Amino acid sequence: EPEVTQTPSHQVTQMGQEVILRCVPISNHLYFYWYRQILGQKVEFLVSFYNNEISEKSEIFDDQFSVERPDGSNFTLKIRSTKLEDSAMYFCASTRFGNEAFFGQGTRLTVV
Amino acid sequence: AQSVTQPDIHITVSEGASLELRCNYSYGATPYLFWYVQSPGQGLQLLLKYFSGDTLVQGIKGFEAEFKRSQSSFNLRKPSVHWSDAAEYFCAVGADNNAGNMLTFGGGTRLMVKP
Repeated sequence: EPEVTQTPSHQVTQMGQEVILRCVPISNHLYFYWYRQILGQKVEFLVSFYNNEISEKSEIFDDQFSVERPDGSNFTLKIRSTKLEDSAMYFCASTRFGNEAFFGQGTRLTVV
Repeated sequence: AQSVTQPDIHITVSEGASLELRCNYSYGATPYLFWYVQSPGQGLQLLLKYFSGDTLVQGIKGFEAEFKRSQSSFNLRKPSVHWSDAAEYFCAVGADNNAGNMLTFGGGTRLMVKP
């Protein structure tokens, strides 16, 4: 069964460093998303991406964040200068028609 | 803005007992509703969804949910819980079914199953 794949599963980084979280969505899907879940809190929407551009983003998704689909298969989330409060589980998701989202296993980001 | 409330943070049931997890939503139009399950260390797996039509929807692993517009609810049920159902369950509401559809999640309900 096709699945969304995220790498790495766990990333530790120093405050102020740049990190790139990688995702391989399901191959025939057209819409891509990033969500995050701070420990003990709700899963929160960050950004959606369609037709090679951001279609929607939340207040959380500020100038420190960016997304890219560099090669037609990967979908990346970059955080330019990480802060302690960026520590969270980051989930990538994809859908074919913008409805039923399939989620990856998540990347746990720890900023120290 | 849409929102989802899951009133129960933790629920403990005995194996074989029935289960109902509550979900209330707030959304101006007809909602698209989902239940996801997250086992420890795992991602979010879709259990079932409601877009339109029959208000009682069946999902995987023997789960079902009923959409009640008058109560703004979408409660998840299972007639007989198995130990492997212990996990965290998230209810979510989706925006219009178009590009940029974003999910708003509830806070989750952690289910523990007693032997």
